[in-house]
Amino acid sequence: GAVVSQHPSWVICKSGTSVKIECRSLDFQATTMFWYRQFPKQSLMLMATSNEGSKATYEQGVEKDKFLINHASLTLSTLTVTSAHPEDSSFYICSASGTSGHNEQFFGPGTRLTVL
Amino acid sequence: GNSVTQMEGPVTLSEEAFLTINCTYTATGYPSLFWYVQYPGEGLQLLLKATKADDKGSNKGFEATYRKETTSFHLEKGSVQVSDSAVYFCALTPNSGYSTLTFGKGTMLLVSP
Repeated sequence: GAVVSQHPSWVICKSGTSVKIECRSLDFQATTMFWYRQFPKQSLMLMATSNEGSKATYEQGVEKDKFLINHASLTLSTLTVTSAHPEDSSFYICSASGTSGHNEQFFGPGTRLTVL
Repeated sequence: GNSVTQMEGPVTLSEEAFLTINCTYTATGYPSLFWYVQYPGEGLQLLLKATKADDKGSNKGFEATYRKETTSFHLEKGSVQVSDSAVYFCALTPNSGYSTLTFGKGTMLLVSP
């Protein structure tokens, strides 16, 4: 149980285009979803936290208009990187937690974004 | 604020060697403590956890004991395998009803045959 998927697993796009990454909880209802960014050989940086049906809460320094997060249902959250640039290239990881897993997040496998 | 400090890597060991990865934390109240493992090219997987002082989390031969007096949660394994090569993250969440994780910087483990 507690499986989280991400799609796509990797994506290459041209500079200036937008990319959407999906995060799904497959077997539980995710009341809260988290989006992280991980640079090579570094830890995970929390970008934002989203609760179903509410606006996402962004961490300091993360551009809301650059990284659009939607959490429209209890099983799906999306992260859209708008007008992507090479510096946005990174590994993006989502996680989800539900009412049954107090204090525990379940992580997706991550999405490798490369912006040319 | 909350913080987690891990020993810097990489940690390089031969197969069947004993492993210790140190982790200390700073937090208010009584946090829950976690170890996550990340294999190359993959997301994070929960390895073990402990939710209160003196609890021992264990999984796949790995162990860690929640030591409130030393604010530590060191990861140990008696005999590592090549397949244990990965990055290990220590993390905590406050026990306030929120599940926001604070991660350490991660420690890479390399195990050679």
